[in-house]
Amino acid sequence: GIQVEQSPPDLILQEGANSTLRCNFSDSVNNLQWFHQNPWGQLINLFYIPSGTKQNGRLSATTVATERYSLLYISSSQTTDSGVYFCAVVSSGSARQLTFGSGTQLTVLP
Amino acid sequence: KAGVTQTPRYLIKTRGQQVTLSCSPISGHRSVSWYQQTPGQGLQFLFEYFSETQRNKGNFPGRFSGRQFSNSRSEMNVSTLELGDSALYLCASSLATGMNTEAFFGQGTRLTVV
Repeated sequence: GIQVEQSPPDLILQEGANSTLRCNFSDSVNNLQWFHQNPWGQLINLFYIPSGTKQNGRLSATTVATERYSLLYISSSQTTDSGVYFCAVVSSGSARQLTFGSGTQLTVLP
Repeated sequence: KAGVTQTPRYLIKTRGQQVTLSCSPISGHRSVSWYQQTPGQGLQFLFEYFSETQRNKGNFPGRFSGRQFSNSRSEMNVSTLELGDSALYLCASSLATGMNTEAFFGQGTRLTVV
């Protein structure tokens, strides 16, 4: 099946810094989503972005489907941005199921 | 518009028992998928239901089963619980079963097996 790799696994920033999280996938995809998992475990939708670029406030994402990667940018980090960020894809060759990466644990220090 | 609702939020069960978890999707959504999250294995797909039919199943033993009702609400059942079934179980709701639809998750049910 499709493999999803996220990097870095851990990231520690000072408040106000910018960061880039990366998601590589091993096959073509029909669907790519970025999530933020809150401390209570819920996955919060950030972006649905199978291709192209989207922006939402301080967050933006870019997916280059032909090169099989996606990037999540966080600008001017805040302590509330802390948590685990997941990338998840639906492979073009499979039935509908999300395959998740192992996540990036982001810690923003005050 | 209400989000995805999972009940209960927390459960403690004894090894060998069975458990039923419930998921109510976003109004109008007809696809419900279930995922298991553990520290060791990460987030793994269990199964997907659409129009009361199981459309896809992950690599889990037959002790894990589910169903979907005509109102799109779904339940998953785990029989003969094992310690390794302790996990966060997440339900996702989608408008349809096509590959190009966005999934929205509930808050999860945290199951502890003792």
